[in-house]
Amino acid sequence: SQKIEQNSEALNIQEGKTATLTCNYTNYSPAYLQWYRQDPGRGPVFLLLIRENEKEKRKERLKVTFDTTLKQSLFHITASQPADSATYLCALDLSGTYKYIFGTGTRLKVLA
Amino acid sequence: DAGVTQSPTHLIKTRGQHVTLRCSPISGHKSVSWYQQVLGQGPQFIFQYYEKEERGRGNFPDRFSARQFPNYSSELNVNALLLGDSALYLCASSLEVVGELFFGEGSRLTVL
Repeated sequence: SQKIEQNSEALNIQEGKTATLTCNYTNYSPAYLQWYRQDPGRGPVFLLLIRENEKEKRKERLKVTFDTTLKQSLFHITASQPADSATYLCALDLSGTYKYIFGTGTRLKVLA
Repeated sequence: DAGVTQSPTHLIKTRGQHVTLRCSPISGHKSVSWYQQVLGQGPQFIFQYYEKEERGRGNFPDRFSARQFPNYSSELNVNALLLGDSALYLCASSLEVVGELFFGEGSRLTVL
């Protein structure tokens, strides 16, 4: 069955460093991969979408890569700030369907 | 511009009762999806509606049902509530069937 894995443990990094979060998937052939940010008690907020034919996407301090051979996406936050502390979710569409599968999320804490 | 609005924000029910959750999408968005998020997990897909038709259904029992109205708002109904239905129920709208999701803040359901 389809499975998405994200680092279940929290990631603590120092302010100013680059945070790298991983999303691995199995038994999928997604057309899209998305990353969301979620703060406690709030709904997820869309950050970036990358298509299967794109290797990399950037938006301000954010960068996403998508390797369909490795079945992996990496999400980078450069020059991290304490305000970046949140849970980050990756989501894949099931090709040919209309549903997205979310990972469990990785909690990022940026230390001042 | 108003984002996705959900009501109620919090509610408490007892086992066996029924609940109706409501969602108003962003103006112009024709697709509405429902997700269930249990504490510590990622959102789990329940339904997607596009142009008032069900386009996708997740692995949830028949106690869960939904519909989309002509103005594109949506309702999620859950019958015969179980303790395990306690969760944050998220509604998301999107412009088309696939693409970035805009989430509401959710309805926090507690079943006692």
